[in-house]
Amino acid sequence: NAGVTQTPKFRILKIGQSMTLQCTQDMNHNYMYWYRQDPGMGLKLIYYSVGAGITDKGEVPNGYNVSRSTTEDFPLRLELAAPSQTSVYFCASSYRQQNTEAFFGQGTRLTVV
Amino acid sequence: GQQVMQIPQYQHVQEGEDFTTYCNSSTTLSNIQWYKQRPGGHPVFLIQLVKSGEVKKQKRLTFQFGEAKKNSSLHITATQTTDVGTYFCARTLSGGYNKLIFGAGTRLAVHP
Repeated sequence: NAGVTQTPKFRILKIGQSMTLQCTQDMNHNYMYWYRQDPGMGLKLIYYSVGAGITDKGEVPNGYNVSRSTTEDFPLRLELAAPSQTSVYFCASSYRQQNTEAFFGQGTRLTVV
Repeated sequence: GQQVMQIPQYQHVQEGEDFTTYCNSSTTLSNIQWYKQRPGGHPVFLIQLVKSGEVKKQKRLTFQFGEAKKNSSLHITATQTTDVGTYFCARTLSGGYNKLIFGAGTRLAVHP
């Protein structure tokens, strides 16, 4: 099992450009999440999904969009990139039960210039 | 609110010394999870505490959950260079679905 796989690992965007961060998991997890981590800080929840076709906002959703067409994939879309979106983005997944651990991908380091 | 505060932000120790990080909440926690993130890496789950006063051990790591379920600690005995990284506590957001709120983390540096 590969676990949670994110692509790309690194990306530099210009202000106003758009991009999609890809995330796929092969553990058949129902729950999936996108977090961002700013330097020296903890992770903040951007969006989450509890199953295919179901998504909802987390703590910091502005400037992002998600979709969940399959159980495996949960892409994160950045429209009109801004310098404030420079961060490391982590995708995670977990089993569909309360209080269970999250499995994280390797992360995407994004710089907006 | 639902935030969790972690202290200290940063600690450097000599190899062989002990290390402790603390996680505090103003509200009662249903559970607390601990993650470790190596430099340049991703968070990796260490443990979850659920019961009041719970103590769990993993080799040199000891995790405690306070009696009032408002604080938790992670203690490492006799640190090694492999312990280097940032240790995060995280609580579950209300509303279910295992959404997590992370503390800011404690970055541990170990000098050989």
